[in-house]
Order: sequence, then C-alpha cells, then structure tokens
Amino acid sequence: QVQLVESGGGVVQPGGSLRLSCAASGFTFSNYGMHWVRQAPGKGLEWVTYIRYTGNIREYADSVKGRFSISRDNSQNTLYLQMSSLRGEDTAVYYCAKEIGFKERPLGYFDFWGQGTLVTVSS
Amino acid sequence: EAVMTQSPATLSVFPGERATLSCRASLSISSNLAWYQQKPGQAPRLLIYDASTRATGIPARFSGSGSGTEFTLTISSLQSGDFAVYYCHQYNNWPPEGTFGQGTKVEIK
Repeated sequence: QVQLVESGGGVVQPGGSLRLSCAASGFTFSNYGMHWVRQAPGKGLEWVTYIRYTGNIREYADSVKGRFSISRDNSQNTLYLQMSSLRGEDTAVYYCAKEIGFKERPLGYFDFWGQGTLVTVSS
Repeated sequence: EAVMTQSPATLSVFPGERATLSCRASLSISSNLAWYQQKPGQAPRLLIYDASTRATGIPARFSGSGSGTEFTLTISSLQSGDFAVYYCHQYNNWPPEGTFGQGTKVEIK
C-alpha cells in the first residue's frame, strides 16, 4: 500500500531554515509528480509546491516563491522541501502528497497524503 | 485565481440523515474539483474528483455534483465515521495555483 512518511519538522527561529523529507513506498515513485501542502494550526489547506516526476519542472505558490525549494531523489524514493527565510505565517503541518496523474499528465490533485510534520516558526 | 467558498461552516446532522455540503467558485472551474475528508489528527483523504467521480474505495453514500461555479457533496446517510471536516479543492487553474475552500465541519447533532 502507498505510504508517505514526512520528517524534519521542528521549531525554528524567524529567518531560519529547515529541510523536510518525505519517504515514499508502495508505488513507483519515479513515475509520479509530488506535492507539498500545508495546514496552519486550526486552519484550512494550502497548496505549496509541486515537482514533476523527472524533477526538472517545479511549481510554487506565490507565498513561498523564492524562499522554498522542492527536490526529489528518485533513487532513494524521497521528496524534499528546503525552506529558508522562514516567517511566522509558515507555521503549519506540512504534508507531502502524491500527484494522481501519471508522468507527463499531472492533474494538480492528490490521491495519497502523508501524516504530516509540524513546522513552528517562533523566537 | 479562483476563490473557493464553502457553506455552511458547520453542519449538525443526526446519524443516518443526509448531509449536503456546498462549494462555490468565484469563476468557472469546469468540473475540475475534488473533495477531501479530514478527521482530527489525520491526513486528508480523497473522496471525489472531477466533481462527481468517487475515488477508489469510497462508499456509494458519498456523491458529488455540479460544474462551473456551483458544486455539492452529498452524504446520503451519515455514519459515525463520516463526522469530519470536508474540503473542496479546485485544480482548474493549476499550475500554478490550486485552491481549497475553508472547509465544512460535519458534526453530530
């Protein structure tokens, strides 16, 4: 069965950096794009970023563009999110999510999600 | 960017009753809409995509309808495991932006 396990969350000071990881199993990771979606405490969901199955195309929400960077290692079935210049409004649970579309046909929604990792930006 | 507005914010329903949740888009998104269910402390689960297609393993009591700007999720007979928060999500304008509604909490009456 599909499993997505995030790690790397924690408390970081404003302006700091953090790298999240998402270990994938139960499907052919290298055939699917992947997303990060976040949820601030007690709030709704916000799409953050996407990476194509090959890793050569990335998309970002305006709120994180220039500060966050998504990457992947298909040999290790792992997705990453490098976050820098962190702000209080970046405090959230970060979920990795599998793109439902196969290879060159991403559709922009998600059929499986991880359990999330909490990032708290606070001094 | 399409702004998604869900109503009501909270819906109180007796077990066994029907629940009807609404989602409105600020501009037409065709049928590019998904619904997710989220229980406390859990990740969201895909219920419906393309406005009306049930995801794999989703019971038939969940149904979606609508196109353009008006969408509905109906749960025909609420069971105890259905009490959760439901989010609509448009992907018509993705990339770069896919946007979620603010959620509807379905609670036991």
